[in-house]
Amino acid sequence: KAGVTQTPRYLIKTRGQQVTLSCSPISGHRSVSWYQQTPGQGLQFLFEYFSETQRNKGNFPGRFSGRQFSNSRSEMNVSTLELGDSALYLCASRVFSSYEQYFGPGTRLTVT
Amino acid sequence: SQQGEEDPQALSIQEGENATMNCSYKTSINNLQWYRQNSGRGLVHLILIRSNEREKHSGRLRVTLDTSKKSSSLLITASRAADTASYFCATDADNDYKLSFGAGTTVTVRA
Repeated sequence: KAGVTQTPRYLIKTRGQQVTLSCSPISGHRSVSWYQQTPGQGLQFLFEYFSETQRNKGNFPGRFSGRQFSNSRSEMNVSTLELGDSALYLCASRVFSSYEQYFGPGTRLTVT
Repeated sequence: SQQGEEDPQALSIQEGENATMNCSYKTSINNLQWYRQNSGRGLVHLILIRSNEREKHSGRLRVTLDTSKKSSSLLITASRAADTASYFCATDADNDYKLSFGAGTTVTVRA
């Protein structure tokens, strides 16, 4: 099976802009979670989607949003970018009944 | 916020030696997982141990869990250069599949 894919892999944006990141889960995985990784805060949970519904949300401002499509692909959007949003954004998918998460390679976002 | 804290923050060992890292967490958990991350890439799931288990093995990996001390350890035996990576513990406190990660231990295996 193909692994979790994320596009784009690298992105440079300017403060105030918005960005959309994409994640394609492993075939058959209907749950997709997003995490932000920064040197200062480490790995933090953003949100999880299952069957196009947000099941869980982390402690992030409303500028961070996401959605999931009927084919389980997911997107996350960050509006009004701030310098502190520079991070590696990781997407993970899992079979709904399993705790084991499969991570993609991440999208490295740099905000200048 | 981070639920787990790994110790040590960094570890440098010779190839063939064992590497041990510890994770402490704050609240009761349903299960604890260990993940590996190579140089800023995605995480790879290594092993999961449930709250009612005390020890688990997978290949060269041995994980222990002490729920009374809210701590876990990961032992990598006979380390190889390919084991050079950052290792994270992750807990699921509310059984809602929302993982809380520790800060990680960076392991360097010298040839």
